[in-house]
Amino acid sequence: AQTVTQSQPEMSVQEAETVTLSCTYDTSESDYYLFWYKQPPSRQMILVIRQEAYKQQNATENRFSVNFQKAAKSFSLKISDSQLGDAAMYFCAYRADYGGATNKLIFGTGTLLAVQP
Amino acid sequence: DAGVIQSPRHEVTEMGQEVTLRCKPISGHNSLFWYRQTMMRGLELLIYFNNNVPIDDSGMPEDRFSAKMPNASFSTLKIQPSEPRDSAVYFCASSLNQGANTEAFFGQGTRLTVV
Repeated sequence: AQTVTQSQPEMSVQEAETVTLSCTYDTSESDYYLFWYKQPPSRQMILVIRQEAYKQQNATENRFSVNFQKAAKSFSLKISDSQLGDAAMYFCAYRADYGGATNKLIFGTGTLLAVQP
Repeated sequence: DAGVIQSPRHEVTEMGQEVTLRCKPISGHNSLFWYRQTMMRGLELLIYFNNNVPIDDSGMPEDRFSAKMPNASFSTLKIQPSEPRDSAVYFCASSLNQGANTEAFFGQGTRLTVV
């Protein structure tokens, strides 16, 4: 069974600094997708960034980028120039790709990020 | 599209009562997921549907929980009878399962409190 592990329950960063959130996963599949979701206090789940496993290039979205290490099954999120609005719970998620069949989206336990002014 | 719509946003009920949570997925999406979020267990997948058919309900905790999707635009999660340990935030999510378009869109969640 696939699992997603986030080993950092809480992290803190100074405003304008850079922080990296860790995520590892376990799977026997070769084709899959990885995601980072953000959940602010409003509890709305917001997609931050997505990575297709077949792509070697790391995904980037403005101040957010990932370090995808397929062999190590690692998928970390880097937030540059941290802003107060980045404070939230961040979830790493995995979804296998079986060529069109539905597959469940599995989440890690989350990392609570605090941004200090 | 208005996104995934869940109702109610908040529900307070007494132990033993039946609770029904509702979800309207994004039009055109063919996958629907129900999650439960608690401090202790994080986000747990309860059940997911593909084209209105339940594919995996292994996350449903007990027989007290049931979910239906009678058509592509509506799903319910029912708890009968409810217990205090069912108190949590319940999320519904939908996605269009086509290759790279695998992003799941979440509703606002229903905060359930069983007293």
